[in-house]
Amino acid sequence: DAGVTQSPTHLIKTRGQQVTLRCSPKSGHDTVSWYQQALGQGPQFIFQYYEEEERQRGNFPDRFSGHQFPNYSSELNVNALLLGDSALYLCASSVLAGGPETQYFGPGTRLLVL
Amino acid sequence: QQPVQSPQAVILREGEDAVINCSSSKALYSVHWYRQKHGEAPVFLMILLKGGEQKGHEKISASFNEKKQQSSLYLTASQLSYSGTYFCGTERCYGSSNTGKLIFGQGTTLQVKP
Repeated sequence: DAGVTQSPTHLIKTRGQQVTLRCSPKSGHDTVSWYQQALGQGPQFIFQYYEEEERQRGNFPDRFSGHQFPNYSSELNVNALLLGDSALYLCASSVLAGGPETQYFGPGTRLLVL
Repeated sequence: QQPVQSPQAVILREGEDAVINCSSSKALYSVHWYRQKHGEAPVFLMILLKGGEQKGHEKISASFNEKKQQSSLYLTASQLSYSGTYFCGTERCYGSSNTGKLIFGQGTTLQVKP
């Protein structure tokens, strides 16, 4: 049973550029959440997608946008990159079943903005 | 809104016990515990729901006190493999339901020495 997969594993960009990160959920999962984790900090919730719609959003600017595809995979897009966007970006998948949702994390994409 | 974890760091000898606390100022629907090793994704340990309960996973157990909005993670007879950073993720109530949005604490670093 494949777990959550993310690509790429590492990425280097320069300020002002745009980046797209990808996530494939665990088999059978229909919900994808994205988190940003700065060094030494806990993951910070960016947004969550279910049925191709944004279900919840954290306190992140509109430069952060996402998409979910019919096969439940998801993309995170960040425009006009800032140095402060350098972080580990984690994707977590879960099943929306009307109760507590256990979220399983992927290995993450480490983004460095120069 | 971010839950507060204590202590920030713990150093143990193999076989010793530890308790990690997670407190929230908001009414919670659930508390999720994860362990993250350096350079890896957070790994799910357990989930506790409002209503107060205790769960166990090998020699790791946890409790959730709904009155105090506090959860505690208990690690007994610690092993070297328990080393890592422990995060609690809290999920707030949305009416009688849940939001699916996890807010993580800043983490507690646990180091187990031989």
